[in-house]
Amino acid sequence: GEDVEQSLFLSVREGDSSVINCTYTDSSSTYLYWYKQEPGAGLQLLTYIFSNMDMKQDQRLTVLLNKKDKHLSLRIADTQTGDSAIYFCAEKRKGYSTLTFGKGTMLLVSP
Amino acid sequence: EPEVTQTPSHQVTQMGQEVILRCVPISNHLYFYWYRQILGQKVEFLVSFYNNEISEKSEIFDDQFSVERPDGSNFTLKIRSTKLEDSAMYFCASTPGGRNTEAFFGQGTRLTVV
Repeated sequence: GEDVEQSLFLSVREGDSSVINCTYTDSSSTYLYWYKQEPGAGLQLLTYIFSNMDMKQDQRLTVLLNKKDKHLSLRIADTQTGDSAIYFCAEKRKGYSTLTFGKGTMLLVSP
Repeated sequence: EPEVTQTPSHQVTQMGQEVILRCVPISNHLYFYWYRQILGQKVEFLVSFYNNEISEKSEIFDDQFSVERPDGSNFTLKIRSTKLEDSAMYFCASTPGGRNTEAFFGQGTRLTVV
């Protein structure tokens, strides 16, 4: 079976780096995604990484993938109060077009 | 920037009533999806739709659910005889095509069954 696990809550101060972690169990995952959900809003695709990569950087966001340990992380540099949201990790398995989501990590950024 | 749009943003319905949730996927996308998120829980896959038919569905997508693409732009989810446990945020998503592309999600419709 497949499951995606995330820690539920992270609190950081503005200007610090945030690291949100995710583990998954299905080794056939082809793409891994990070989505952001602000209060009352939908799911915004932040970034994604193909499973044959180990790192992807996009401005303040850095995604690290350890395929051996099935561990994915999202690092947000210089975290701002506007980054406060729920962050969802999701995987897409080989041969499927659907996504399997984690429960989401609530990031709270304090001034 | 093109986006997936969903209407209404919030729907309140009485238990046992039928509801139709509407979505307009991105115009050149070929695959369409419905997901739902019960408050405090994971986002769960319901159904995917391609070439005017269901391509995959989850255990949640039972006979009370149906999907339709009534014209060239809309993609609807119908829930017959709603139950209290159908209360959730329902997200529509679309992808350009194939199985290795990112999914773009709408803002969601919050369904409250009373």
